[in-house]
Amino acid sequence: EVQLLESGGGLVQPGGSLRLSCAASGITLTSYAMNWVRQAPGKGLEWVSYITGSGDSTVYADSVKGRFTISRDNSKNTLYLQMNSLRVEDTAVYYCAKRVGYRLDYWGQGTLVTVSS
Amino acid sequence: EIVLTQSPGTLSLSPGERATLFCRASQSVSSSYLAWYQQKAGQAPRLLIYGASSRATGIPDRFSGSGSGTDFTLTITRLEPEDFAVYYCQLYGSSSYTFGQGTKLEIK
Repeated sequence: EVQLLESGGGLVQPGGSLRLSCAASGITLTSYAMNWVRQAPGKGLEWVSYITGSGDSTVYADSVKGRFTISRDNSKNTLYLQMNSLRVEDTAVYYCAKRVGYRLDYWGQGTLVTVSS
Repeated sequence: EIVLTQSPGTLSLSPGERATLFCRASQSVSSSYLAWYQQKAGQAPRLLIYGASSRATGIPDRFSGSGSGTDFTLTITRLEPEDFAVYYCQLYGSSSYTFGQGTKLEIK
């Protein structure tokens, strides 16, 4: 059974940093491209970032470009999102999601990031 | 940038009824890139439909998708109590994704 488990969320002040993790089980992450998607409280879904299975290519939403970095440690079967220079508007539940074809077929349960002073 | 507009914003129906949800793209897109997700309160989204009309693994056949070009539809025949949720359409493009704003399906 495929499971994705996010962690690392919490309360951080504006301008601060956090690193989110997404640990995978039941699959080998090297075989799949992975994504981060976020959802602000009471709002819709917003795609954040993408990384290839090998980790050699990444893409970011304009809203996080230059501040967030997606990476993966295939030896630990884990995906990361390093978030720097956090803003109040980055407050959201962050989901990791596995891509197959052009769809996101498995999602983690999410981790809440709150940016507030 | 292609924008996805979902309608209606809220749909109020009773169990056993048929639900029709719409997703319109701001320009013509490939059906291969269009998916639908269901999200229940406090839960992660769940893939329902991909390639505009293919059901994901384990999705009941009361869920169906159709459409092409700019207009896509998610149909749920014979609503079950567990179907009341928020539904999102999603478009893939250049290694990124765009989501519609969602349709809330609520019990009438």
